[in-house]
Amino acid sequence: DVVMTQSPLSLPVTLGQPASISCRSSQSLVYSDGNTYLNWFQQRPGQSPRRLIYKVSNRDSGVPDRFSGSGSGSDFTLKISRVEAEDVGVYYCMQGTHWPWTFGQGTKVEIK
Amino acid sequence: QVQLQESGPGLVKPSETLSLTCSVSGGSVSSATYYWSWIRQPPGKGLEWIGCMYYSGSSNYNSSLKSRVTISVDTSRNQFSLKLSSVTAADTAIYYCARGDDITVAGRGAFDYWGQGTLVIVSS
Repeated sequence: DVVMTQSPLSLPVTLGQPASISCRSSQSLVYSDGNTYLNWFQQRPGQSPRRLIYKVSNRDSGVPDRFSGSGSGSDFTLKISRVEAEDVGVYYCMQGTHWPWTFGQGTKVEIK
Repeated sequence: QVQLQESGPGLVKPSETLSLTCSVSGGSVSSATYYWSWIRQPPGKGLEWIGCMYYSGSSNYNSSLKSRVTISVDTSRNQFSLKLSSVTAADTAIYYCARGDDITVAGRGAFDYWGQGTLVIVSS
């Protein structure tokens, strides 16, 4: 199985400051069709996960533009340009390239 | 607006079969555009993909659970279901149903709608 490794696992951030989460896969996530199937989900406390980003860098409608995804191959990053209080939660990367689909361990974002 | 709602027993005895249903509103499980998945989360832990089913009837399962898992779709009720056999305490988790978005647009594994989740405890 492809192992997704996120870092850090805990990320205390000051309001208004940037935050960055790394996600690395044990294999390249480039699929045979040339696409890279790396998604990011946000799980706020007590809520179901919510998709933020699909195919590395495509932001969902309704997701603030302070969120951005980047990367290629096996190295990916989710960035929050200016953290707001509503961004508190756990962020997961997930690969859909290889069976079985696998999630990272999650990164907990909290306010300092 | 698409909505998904899980239902089923909150307590299952060890060695028995866990059965959950996901009711879909605002969309059709027989749509060729989407696929239907189950994902679980042990209390206080991360997410684990269980499997998914496509409108064609084909399915894919997590190899770690494959011999115990069955996902099926009931188009007449606009529902899909999960059965997990021979459960142990390790299967205690919040179980989420989710819709997989149009693969031609969002790609693989891009779940766009999730249920609220249902906690299943495996205990005698």
